[in-house]
Amino acid sequence: KAGVTQTPRYLIKTRGQQVTLSCSPISGHRSVSWYQQTPGQGLQFLFEYFSETQRNKGNFPGRFSGRQFSNSRSEMNVSTLELGDSALYLCASSLGDRVRNGYTFGSGTRLTVV
Amino acid sequence: DAKTTQPTSMDCAEGRAANLPCNHSTISGNEYVYWYRQIHSQGPQYIIHGLKNNETNEMASLIITEDRKSSTLILPHATLRDTAVYYCIVRVDSTRGGSARQLTFGSGTQLTVLP
Repeated sequence: KAGVTQTPRYLIKTRGQQVTLSCSPISGHRSVSWYQQTPGQGLQFLFEYFSETQRNKGNFPGRFSGRQFSNSRSEMNVSTLELGDSALYLCASSLGDRVRNGYTFGSGTRLTVV
Repeated sequence: DAKTTQPTSMDCAEGRAANLPCNHSTISGNEYVYWYRQIHSQGPQYIIHGLKNNETNEMASLIITEDRKSSTLILPHATLRDTAVYYCIVRVDSTRGGSARQLTFGSGTQLTVLP
């Protein structure tokens, strides 16, 4: 079956702009989580959505937001981009019931802010 | 979350077993040990998990000490494609919302398989 699909793969934006990233989870998976990966901070949890509801949010400013649609597809938005937002943004999907069922990650969107 | 400690880097000869250690001395009774790996520029990939018994799947084996304070991920016959950063994560197996379900990644171990 198809894996987790993230679009676009690469993105270049200018400071102050906003950006929307998309994630399509594995069919049947109802949970979508987002992570930011930078060389300095490593992989950091942004938020998790389950059945269109945000279940948990990491320690990121309000400029970072997300949503989930009824088909479980998710988007994350970053407004007023800063240079420090340059990162690999990863989406992970799971069935949503138990952690031990594992998370499947997409290949990520590499965002560069100039 | 229980904190994990892993070596920063390790080398392994191709075809040999790769043994990646992880210390989690503050693990609690209901926390599982999970292993993920991340090949350069890709998303992390789930490998295996366990609670207290040793586990094996098609990718690897997981050996957890009797006191559960440490574990070892074993790749029985490492190949060049196993070169990646390996993350050991300790987490409860929760169905609840809130912070119970997020994965906390440390720095991991950079495994380099040498030809």
